[in-house]
Amino acid sequence: DAGITQSPRHKVTETGTPVTLRCHQTENHRYMYWYRQDPGHGLRLIHYSYGVKDTDKGEVSDGYSVSRSKTEDFLLTLESATSSQTSVYFCAISEQGGNQPQHFGDGTRLSIL
Amino acid sequence: RKEVEQDPGPFNVPEGATVAFNCTYSNSASQSFFWYRQDCRKEPKLLMSVYSSGNEDGRFTAQLNRASQYISLLIRDSKLSDSATYLCVVNPHMDTGRRALTFGSGTRLQVQP
Repeated sequence: DAGITQSPRHKVTETGTPVTLRCHQTENHRYMYWYRQDPGHGLRLIHYSYGVKDTDKGEVSDGYSVSRSKTEDFLLTLESATSSQTSVYFCAISEQGGNQPQHFGDGTRLSIL
Repeated sequence: RKEVEQDPGPFNVPEGATVAFNCTYSNSASQSFFWYRQDCRKEPKLLMSVYSSGNEDGRFTAQLNRASQYISLLIRDSKLSDSATYLCVVNPHMDTGRRALTFGSGTRLQVQP
């Protein structure tokens, strides 16, 4: 399995609090992605990164920010969490981007009350 | 119209049966195609890539029909362990270096003893 670690694995927090999810990889892959998965919607891209300090928005980026200060870490931040951001969050990595498959971390289950 | 569409199922089949899923995509310029498998409350895992010439991996066969814009997955001799959700994945973008993949919502397969 690809060396991808997401932390925390589970988190429960309150509306309005900041939340940061971490994705750590040991594969030295250039591309990293954050998705959320909700019933009826499948996987939706939040943000992705194509290199250190290089990021771009996905289809559901509102309310989220990301940072990538080094190759191995990609952080997803909810500045002020809302109940609509309750979801399962997956990080994925890819060696060469769009034409290559992605490999996923175990996911983070986030509940915002 | 969604970029990637799948029949959500569930497909309930007996052990040993052959089952096939189709997935349609909207962008005729799509470059790469994959099938992923996702078990309940787990991360998606790459099952196989789909090549223009079709490809086979054991009991699994994937095919691409560019003219009709669909890909298919055939599972022969179904096992109980094949029970999962199967995600159709497409790269709909030409600039393959940066873009992410688009995931279908998945087709659920339940193999019955």
